[in-house]
Amino acid sequence: GAVVSQHPSWVICKSGTSVKIECRSLDFQATTMFWYRQFPKQSLMLMATSNEGSKATYEQGVEKDKFLINHASLTLSTLTVTSAHPEDSSFYICSAGGREARETQYFGPGTRLLVL
Amino acid sequence: SQQGEEDPQALSIQEGENATMNCSYKTSINNLQWYRQNSGRGLVHLILIRSNEREKHSGRLRVTLDTSKKSSSLLITASRAADTASYFCGSGGSNYKLTFGKGTLLTVNP
Repeated sequence: GAVVSQHPSWVICKSGTSVKIECRSLDFQATTMFWYRQFPKQSLMLMATSNEGSKATYEQGVEKDKFLINHASLTLSTLTVTSAHPEDSSFYICSAGGREARETQYFGPGTRLLVL
Repeated sequence: SQQGEEDPQALSIQEGENATMNCSYKTSINNLQWYRQNSGRGLVHLILIRSNEREKHSGRLRVTLDTSKKSSSLLITASRAADTASYFCGSGGSNYKLTFGKGTLLTVNP
């Protein structure tokens, strides 16, 4: 199957700092990338959908100024958590789909964020 | 509200037994997808069934879809300890979006 990478796999930061997470589709072109957030033992909550070259579409309740998403190319999307607070600590997962992937989403391994 | 509610929330079986998980969703779909997640990792795509299909097989996996009941089931036959994971269904609508349920935690005891 298609491979999606995420970097970093985990990050610890101080409250008030910004953290950038990268999501790359390694062997296919992803017209659409998705960002999810997952709390322990819970489901994935879709945060936003990003299409290459256009602005991301955020789900209701997700602050677009806090979670900045950029999808600059068909293989790279970034999520920046700005002015992180302890409540932003979570497991962030990206997925890539579209074009040859069609409806299937291929997920990255996730990034665990801990804000102190 | 959340679509794709799975049940049971947790399932514990012995190696070699079959495991059945169910999923319900609320609105119309283009497809329904099942994923597996090992603890602390990303999701691995297992199988996709389209809204005009009723049953699909892939190796030891069998998925059914009943659009009249807005439900799907995943059957894993001859389970192995390595099948231990959380299983999520994602209901697929337009724009490739998926809505996930809470998942079923499957434990296969050796």
